[in-house]
Amino acid sequence: EPEVTQTPSHQVTQMGQEVILRCVPISNHLYFYWYRQILGQKVEFLVSFYNNEISEKSEIFDDQFSVERPDGSNFTLKIRSTKLEDSAMYFCASSEMARVADTQYFGPGTRLTVL
Amino acid sequence: QKEVEQNSGPLSVPEGAIASLNCTYSDRGSQSFFWYRQYSGKSPELIMSIYSNGDKEDGRFTAQLNKASQYVSLLIRDSQPSDSATYLCAVNNNFNKFYFGSGTKLNVKP
Repeated sequence: EPEVTQTPSHQVTQMGQEVILRCVPISNHLYFYWYRQILGQKVEFLVSFYNNEISEKSEIFDDQFSVERPDGSNFTLKIRSTKLEDSAMYFCASSEMARVADTQYFGPGTRLTVL
Repeated sequence: QKEVEQNSGPLSVPEGAIASLNCTYSDRGSQSFFWYRQYSGKSPELIMSIYSNGDKEDGRFTAQLNKASQYVSLLIRDSQPSDSATYLCAVNNNFNKFYFGSGTKLNVKP
């Protein structure tokens, strides 16, 4: 069964460094999403992406964050200057369409630790 | 602020019993509703989706939606220890953004 993949599974970085989290969505899906989950807290929407542009973003997704689809398969989240509070699990998700009925399928996540 | 509220639990039920999980949401414009299961340290895994008022059954799981009351629930029949996890309610009110509740932790005791 097709699945969303994410790399790396765990990323450790120093505060102020840039990190890029990578995702490969399901191949026939057109909509891509990033979420984060701080330990013990709820899953929070960051951004959605369609047709090579951001469709929606939350207030969390400030200028420190950017997303890109650099080729036909990868979808990346960049954090330019990491802060301690960026430590979280980051989940990528994809859906085939953006119809109301469409389901988002989540990748396994990248655990980001900022020291 | 669009809110999705869940009782954090833990909800403890004996093996074989029915577990009932509840969720309320604040945005009347919400159109689709999802239940995800999340094991500790893992990603959310879809259990069920529901879009219309009433019940929807899938195996041991039944989702119930009442848009007038802004309430959605999940019943798990014949609960098994492997059902022990955190159950996340998610609400979609436009095409591209989901709002998640904080989750209810379920413990199924053998």
